[in-house]
Amino acid sequence: DTAVSQTPKYLVTQMGNDKSIKCEQNLGHDTMYWYKQDSKKFLKIMFSYNNKELIINETVPNRFSPKSPDKAHLNLHINSLELGDSAVYFCASSPRDGRESAFGANVLTFGAGSRLTVL
Amino acid sequence: AQSVTQLDSQVPVFEEAPVELRCNYSSSVSVYLFWYVQYPNQGLQLLLKYLSGSTLVKGINGFEAEFNKSQTSFHLRKPSVHISDTAEYFCAVSERVDNFNKFYFGSGTKLNVKP
Repeated sequence: DTAVSQTPKYLVTQMGNDKSIKCEQNLGHDTMYWYKQDSKKFLKIMFSYNNKELIINETVPNRFSPKSPDKAHLNLHINSLELGDSAVYFCASSPRDGRESAFGANVLTFGAGSRLTVL
Repeated sequence: AQSVTQLDSQVPVFEEAPVELRCNYSSSVSVYLFWYVQYPNQGLQLLLKYLSGSTLVKGINGFEAEFNKSQTSFHLRKPSVHISDTAEYFCAVSERVDNFNKFYFGSGTKLNVKP
């Protein structure tokens, strides 16, 4: 009954490879996110999708490509992996984007994280 | 854009002592405020949130936080900590950007509770 699940939990790969991380939420939320947490624990938003539509796209190398086949899934594909991509990637979801209500302050529900190590 | 500052990267404290983790944010426009906790090798869990109303917010595990608009602060407190409170704590701010709520996180404070 996991709310936000990510796979794989650990990923070790060589520089130059292409890899994907998958995320699924069973909360019925409309909005999903990818965050990157570096070795200093700093959390940075990468992407956000609302009902399959890209709404936030921070300054992220175009080697990173999110894909949302439906509003319950948001996958992250990374091409030509580099050493600096090593981090923990968190998927999150929230009920809605807040357009409908002044109190639509979305509480983020996070997945357990996917630790990517690039050698 | 917001910036969220957690001044203390690490806070060591003895068990049963009180603790305060500090958080300041940059903008005075309407924001929503949150504290999240991250236990080792886990995702972030919501501790508490301020949306409106009373400036003193109570959360899970005996934590509370006070919203101070004039000082743009949202400090987290607990009167008596347990060993199990050892974790990383993140302050977060949500503001509306182009009709969407955007979240900004602080750099985290590692709370280390000693016996």
